[in-house]
Amino acid sequence: QSALTQPASVSGSPGQSITISCTGTSSDVGSYNLVSWYQQHPGKAPKLMIYEGSKRPSGVSNRFSGSKSGNTASLTISGLQAEDEADYYCCSYAGSSTFEVVFGGGTKLTVL
Amino acid sequence: EVQLVESGGGLVQPGGSLRLSCAASGFTFSSYEMNWVRQAPGKGLEWVSYISSSGSTIYYADSVKGRFTISRDNAKNSLYLQMNSLRAEDTAVYYCARDHPHTAMAFDYWGQGTLVTVSS
Repeated sequence: QSALTQPASVSGSPGQSITISCTGTSSDVGSYNLVSWYQQHPGKAPKLMIYEGSKRPSGVSNRFSGSKSGNTASLTISGLQAEDEADYYCCSYAGSSTFEVVFGGGTKLTVL
Repeated sequence: EVQLVESGGGLVQPGGSLRLSCAASGFTFSSYEMNWVRQAPGKGLEWVSYISSSGSTIYYADSVKGRFTISRDNAKNSLYLQMNSLRAEDTAVYYCARDHPHTAMAFDYWGQGTLVTVSS
């Protein structure tokens, strides 16, 4: 199974909103409501930001939201803050004949 | 407080073996499914393996199938990854990650990672 496709980089100014896309196929993103998103700061472990496409874990700011349309999932960050600058990864269950989990290649968010 | 602490990483020659451990605390380890996820230097995340709470169900990524073995000891609150026939492409930081309790394949807590370097 191929990795999910994310833009290599996105940028935005403080206070603005940005959206990161995550494109898969009908075998992963399109078939299951099991897309999650992770934030990773340099040298740190990833942090769960969104699960099941649009649900936020306790403690995650409501500035982070997720959605899905067809084979593409999206992460939107509103009211950009300097501390949002990080790498973001999407992830989806991709099992059909075999159990598989696939990640996107990651998107570097720069807050200008 | 949930804590996951990996250990056992290091430098190993191609073809060699290494056993990673992940010590869990702050939650009822025996009730949670667990995973290993790795990240090659400067690269993205890659799911490696999954084990159910009882250890009865196990899955592997194709890239490690037949070479890596995941296991757990619920009495010791510990997760393991036995890695054999290591290759240069297995070089990565290896994270243990807990499955979210209310859904599948969302990793809600991660360890700090342990670096495995495969090189001669």
